[in-house]
Amino acid sequence: KQEVTQIPAALSVPEGENLVLNCSFTDSAIYNLQWFRQDPGKGLTSLLLIQSSQREQTSGRLNASLDKSSGRSTLYIAASQPGDSATYLCAVVAAGNKLTFGGGTRVLVKP
Amino acid sequence: EAEVAQSPRYKITEKSQAVAFWCDPISGHATLYWYRQILGQGPELLVQFQDESVVDDSQLPKDRFSAERLKGVDSTLKIQPAELGDSAMYLCASSSNSNQPQHFGDGTRLSIL
Repeated sequence: KQEVTQIPAALSVPEGENLVLNCSFTDSAIYNLQWFRQDPGKGLTSLLLIQSSQREQTSGRLNASLDKSSGRSTLYIAASQPGDSATYLCAVVAAGNKLTFGGGTRVLVKP
Repeated sequence: EAEVAQSPRYKITEKSQAVAFWCDPISGHATLYWYRQILGQGPELLVQFQDESVVDDSQLPKDRFSAERLKGVDSTLKIQPAELGDSAMYLCASSSNSNQPQHFGDGTRLSIL
């Protein structure tokens, strides 16, 4: 059974620092990996999707890497802003479009 | 703003009562998913529909939970009777087919007293 772990569970940084969020998974037989953002009391917004054949994906200040063989993905957020405060979830996608989520990392960016 | 519509946004009810949630997916999306997210955890899939058919309900507690998508468009998730442990966020998602990314609604926050 696939297990997805995100460490740390919570992170607090001053504005302007780079954020590094980690995600690990136990079964490397995945189709792709997604990073989501969730604001309090809201649904999930997709940030980046990395296909299993890709090593990284970039969108603006966000960069996500994928090392399928070691079961790891990292989300980098450059020059953090208070508006980046949210919970970030990673999910691995297996056959049948089944998403298995990690527990999330709760991020606070202090002005 | 999320394009998958869910209602109600919040629901407070007492244990042993019945509760229902509604989801309207993005127009044309054939695949619909219901997830439960306990506070501080990631979402877990409860049921997946392809059109009006259930594809996966292996994690749905069938003694109290039911889900339907009668015309293959909108869907209803029901709990009867509700228990204290059902307090959670219930999220609906849809995708154009089972190989495309899922789009999530804003969820229904359920509190059982």
